[in-house]
Amino acid sequence: DAGVTQSPTHLIKTRGQQVTLRCSPKSGHDTVSWYQQALGQGPQFIFQYYEEEERQRGNFPDRFSGHQFPNYSSELNVNALLLGDSALYLCASSAIVPLHERARRTDTQYFGPGTRLTVL
Amino acid sequence: AQTVTQSQPEMSVQEAETVTLSCTYDTSESNYYLFWYKQPPSRQMILVIRQEAYKQQNATENRFSVNFQKAAKSFSLKISDSQLGDTAMYFCAFSQLYGGSQGNLIFGKGTKLSVKP
Repeated sequence: DAGVTQSPTHLIKTRGQQVTLRCSPKSGHDTVSWYQQALGQGPQFIFQYYEEEERQRGNFPDRFSGHQFPNYSSELNVNALLLGDSALYLCASSAIVPLHERARRTDTQYFGPGTRLTVL
Repeated sequence: AQTVTQSQPEMSVQEAETVTLSCTYDTSESNYYLFWYKQPPSRQMILVIRQEAYKQQNATENRFSVNFQKAAKSFSLKISDSQLGDTAMYFCAFSQLYGGSQGNLIFGKGTKLSVKP
């Protein structure tokens, strides 16, 4: 069973460019969350997608947008890149689990290996 | 707003000994989840242990156990019989319920743990 996968592994862009990062969730998961982890910091929540819609959003500008496809995979797009966007971008997948199913299923988020974005 | 605080930026422990990592959090919610994640140099964020706030019993996973003090809003991680492979950044994280299921994770700044031979 493949876990959460992300592509690419590394990416170098220049200021003002646009970037797209991709994530495929773990088998059986229908929800994808994106996090930004600056060097030496804990991850910060960007947004979460469920049923192809944005379910929750963190405190990030509109330059950060996303999409979820019918197969549950997701993309994170960042426009007008700034130097401060350099970070590790983590994708996490999970399942939305109704209360009556909690005894046999978990809604825990599992992370991918991340994409290291460098903006020059 | 919820916050998570890890007051120990770095810790070290000798192989086979026990170490405890501290975490405090702030929330007005009564039902939520708490987690410890491990991030080795390979960058992969790995779930270590999870605690649901409504459960009074402390969670355990093999050599890893937590001390969950709800009234004090404290959630410490104890690693017994430390191994070299435990060397990593450890993040404490909080999640409230959203739509009846786990919401977004709020992370602390992490504790860098070094296990010495």
